[in-house]
Amino acid sequence: AQSVSQHNHHVILSEAASLELGCNYSYGGTVNLFWYVQYPGQHLQLLLKYFSGDPLVKGIKGFEAEFIKSKFSFNLRKPSVQWSDTAEYFCAVKAGAGSYQLTFGKGTKLSVIP
Amino acid sequence: GAGVSQSPSNKVTEKGKDVELRCDPISGHTALYWYRQSLGQGLEFLIYFQGNSAPDKSGLPSDRFSAERTGGSVSTLTIQRTQQEDSAVYLCASSLEAPHWEQYFGPGTRLTVT
Repeated sequence: AQSVSQHNHHVILSEAASLELGCNYSYGGTVNLFWYVQYPGQHLQLLLKYFSGDPLVKGIKGFEAEFIKSKFSFNLRKPSVQWSDTAEYFCAVKAGAGSYQLTFGKGTKLSVIP
Repeated sequence: GAGVSQSPSNKVTEKGKDVELRCDPISGHTALYWYRQSLGQGLEFLIYFQGNSAPDKSGLPSDRFSAERTGGSVSTLTIQRTQQEDSAVYLCASSLEAPHWEQYFGPGTRLTVT
């Protein structure tokens, strides 16, 4: 069965620092990739998605992610974080063209210090 | 437009009792999903509906769990004879059919079994 690994459980950054959250998955076939965010007290929201095409995808709020097929990775980046980015971030994979379920990583909690 | 809604938002029940959790998907979304979010397990897929049928129930953790969807819209997740290990946040998501595949999540129902 496929799995998704998020390497960092908790990341603490100061405002204006750059962010990179790692995500690796284990599946050799076609994948669709997603990053979701859960702000404190709110529900999961889609940040960005990759289905095909340009491996560098841009999402909301200045986030982007790069799909590197050879590394089975889909890392999330933001050049300059804000206090309002404090949240938990989840990487998710849909493995295979006929699949429908998302497999999630355990999540990375991001705390941004003003 | 309105997002995915779930009710109740919180449910406390005694061990051994049955509970029903409700999900209202986004209007026009034909696919509906149930997930469970718990501290130890992260986000786990439970079941998927396309229309009123559930092609894959393999994610349901035991035969105490069941789900139905009527009219291609509202879905109910039922847990019979609840156990303490059922305590979790139960999330519902909906989507259009592939290839418009991103899943939109509701706020969840926090279930506590005492």
